[in-house]
Amino acid sequence: GENVEQHPSTLSVQEGDSAVIKCTYSDSASNYFPWYKQELGKRPQLIIDIRSNVGEKKDQRIAVTLNKTAKHFSLHITETQPEDSAVYFCAASLSGSARQLTFGSGTQLTVLP
Amino acid sequence: SAVISQKPSRDICQRGTSLTIQCQVDSQVTMMFWYRQQPGQSLTLIATANQGSEATYESGFVIDKFPISRPNLTFSTLTVSNMSPEDSSIYLCSVRGQFRSYEQYFGPGTRLTVT
Repeated sequence: GENVEQHPSTLSVQEGDSAVIKCTYSDSASNYFPWYKQELGKRPQLIIDIRSNVGEKKDQRIAVTLNKTAKHFSLHITETQPEDSAVYFCAASLSGSARQLTFGSGTQLTVLP
Repeated sequence: SAVISQKPSRDICQRGTSLTIQCQVDSQVTMMFWYRQQPGQSLTLIATANQGSEATYESGFVIDKFPISRPNLTFSTLTVSNMSPEDSSIYLCSVRGQFRSYEQYFGPGTRLTVT
């Protein structure tokens, strides 16, 4: 089955700096890659996703890049703010109605004021 | 996105008892899933709740321990049976809709503590 590895496990940045979180996946057939943000005590929230037919997607301060050849994808957050502090999870899945998300282990991002 | 609610939001249960968690969605959804998230850990899929048929369980999870029902396209239940302290965790319902069907959303979770 699919295996998703996520790095780093913790990341601290100064407010205003950029943050990058990286994930690698094992199954070359995977074609959907979402990112979730989970604040303490809250549910995971879908913040951005990318399908394998594109290499990059942006939404305001966040972007995701995908390298299918290398089987890795990354989350980029620019101009970080304290409210960006949370645990971020990447995931990967195959296509098809019964596809299941396989999650990475998570990255605790702390934005220091 | 769909509005997903879960009941109860939290509970403290005694060893050996069972707890049923309910998941209600405000619109019909194609897929419903149940996840477990232990403190400080990632999300682990327990099973896919299939409407009108038996759930599909992931490796390490069995129907006798985690019976699941899905009587229609908006509602599902997960029962944690014969609980032990190792079952203490957050249990999350998750759904994928009929439209924008790639996107998957999570309920608020049920925090279970077994004493």
